[in-house]
Amino acid sequence: GESVGLHLPTLSVQEGDNSIINCAYSNSASDYFIWYKQESGKGPQFIIDIRSNMDKRQGQRVTVLLNKTVKHLSLQIAATQPGDSAVYFCAENKNFGNEKLTFGTGTRLTIIP
Amino acid sequence: NAGVTQTPKFRILKIGQSMTLQCAQDMNHNYMYWYRQDPGMGLKLIYYSVGAGITDKGEVPNGYNVSRSTTEDFPLRLELAAPSQTSVYFCASSYSAGARGTGELFFGEGSRLTVL
Repeated sequence: GESVGLHLPTLSVQEGDNSIINCAYSNSASDYFIWYKQESGKGPQFIIDIRSNMDKRQGQRVTVLLNKTVKHLSLQIAATQPGDSAVYFCAENKNFGNEKLTFGTGTRLTIIP
Repeated sequence: NAGVTQTPKFRILKIGQSMTLQCAQDMNHNYMYWYRQDPGMGLKLIYYSVGAGITDKGEVPNGYNVSRSTTEDFPLRLELAAPSQTSVYFCASSYSAGARGTGELFFGEGSRLTVL
């Protein structure tokens, strides 16, 4: 069945280091992927997205990598800051539509000062 | 812009009671969604709407109802509350799929519901 899962539920990183959050997906028909950040007590916030015709996309301090061969997605955060502490979710969709995003269970990232 | 506004932020219900979670957005988005998030889990889609007068079921619609009489508002109704509906509920909105080139959903702050 369709699922989006994460390899690690928690991740602790020293402030200033880079962090990598991984996500596996099982639906080979998925063609659009999004990363969201959720701070405690708040709603998720869009970080970056990538379509299946790309294998890498960069934003401000963040990079998303997509490996369709092994159905794996990762989010790299450069020079982590205390404000990066949050739960990070990957989400997938088919046909580049919004209607039915499938969210993973999330990885809690903790930045150690 | 206020973005997506949800009320109430917290509510405790008794089993069998009914209530409506309110959601309003001021971004003129066509698409609106209701998700629930159980502890330590991702978000599951309850219902969504692609425009006023149009609604459709998501992954977990049982026990809920929605309506979309205006572009701005998308209330979620719980008719007979059950303990299994204890969760945090998030409303979200977005532009039409593909219209702006991204799948960015704008989420509200959430409504924490406890059914006892």
